[in-house]
This record gives sequence, C-alpha cells and structure tokens, in this order.
Amino acid sequence: QSVLTQPPSVSGAPGQRVTISCTGSKSNIGAGFNVHWYQQVPGTAPKLLIYDNINRPSGVPDRFSGSKSGTSASLAITGPQAEDEAEYYCQSYDSSLAAVFGGGTKLTVL
Amino acid sequence: QVQLQESGPGLVKPSGTLSLTCTVSGGSISENNWWTWVRQPPGKGLEWIGEIVHTGNTVYNPSLKSRVTMSIDKSQNHFSLKLRSVTAADTAVYYCARSSPTNYFDPWGRGALVSVSS
Repeated sequence: QSVLTQPPSVSGAPGQRVTISCTGSKSNIGAGFNVHWYQQVPGTAPKLLIYDNINRPSGVPDRFSGSKSGTSASLAITGPQAEDEAEYYCQSYDSSLAAVFGGGTKLTVL
Repeated sequence: QVQLQESGPGLVKPSGTLSLTCTVSGGSISENNWWTWVRQPPGKGLEWIGEIVHTGNTVYNPSLKSRVTMSIDKSQNHFSLKLRSVTAADTAVYYCARSSPTNYFDPWGRGALVSVSS
C-alpha cells in the first residue's frame, strides 16, 4: 500500500488531455512538501519529468505539466504521443522523514 | 554531467547481507548533495530506502531502518548500501540517485537487479 495514491491506469488518444492524480495527506503533500513526477519506460530507470510541483527539466516536452492543490497533485499530458506510453510515479516527502512514492500509473496511448 | 552506476553481487542468500556501491562520475560526491537509494521489486512500484550526505549523515526509511547501513567514500567518489537479514521480499532492482534540496531525485543510475535466493 503506497503512501501516495495514484490510479493504476489511464488512457487517451493523441488529441486528448490525460491527467494522472496523486493523492496524499496532511503529513506529506498537505504539509507543503513539493511533488515530483517520474516517467519509467519498462526496463529502464525512472526519469525526472516534473519537479517542485510545476517545473519541467530541460528536454521534457511542454505537453507535460504539473499542478498541486491541498493534499493532491496532478500530472497532465496534453496530446499524448506513442512514446509517452510508460509508467508514471509521483513522489513527495513525509513528516515521518521519508521520501514517499505513489504506486504508479500506466499510461496507454490509444 | 553527473552519472551514477550501481555495482555489486546479483545474488544474495537468504539471511545474508546485500551490498551495493554507487559510483559517481562527472562530479564530486563531496558537493552539497544528498545521495539516495531506491528499490523496485519486479513488477512493483518504487520504494525509497534512504540517503546519505558527504559528511556521513544519513536518513533511512523507518520501515527499513533496522536493517540498513549507508556509507560514503569520498576518496573513491562512491557511496554504498548494506541491507542485512535479507529475504525473498528484498529481491528488487536497486537504484542510486542524487537528491536535490527539495527532495527530487535526478539523475538516476541504470539500476542493479539483486535476487535473494538459496
């Protein structure tokens, strides 16, 4: 059971907007800790996608965006491409002094 | 550009100790960064194990704290993980990564699969 809750799977067509939610609690996201997102293609290491809630590292396409409100955060993919099929993880920090992850969401591009 | 590479035995016997090293290249491990370990059991999600800074200070996941020891060797520019009393549940790909001040992890190593089996 992950500390942060994500839907197991989402899907969308290239012309759509897909969102992945990440729900935490008052001891992590709600305590003001930043949320970060990673993309993991099977067989490879996770790759940083969004950091500090809304920021994209250099090289990440602008179709990826992040937001945070209260005890939750979201990753949006506007017009997903075939190469975006992957597992997506949110991550934050907890007042128990531990980094915490969501359980992961598999994105299928229709 | 900082790169990380995990190394160590790929097979550990039950009740034994898992030992991995993460070698940092393209930068100094003595910079003011924390260095972290994350693991991923086959087909499952990510679990944070803990982190260490160049002073040797550590923070461990409370769920693993009793079995984990991390160390750092500035002369070799690497840091290490030891996990004691392993069981099959510790079978996973183990990743090392650099931690940012706001606790995101980047970059990551490619990962090392460690299997616990007799």
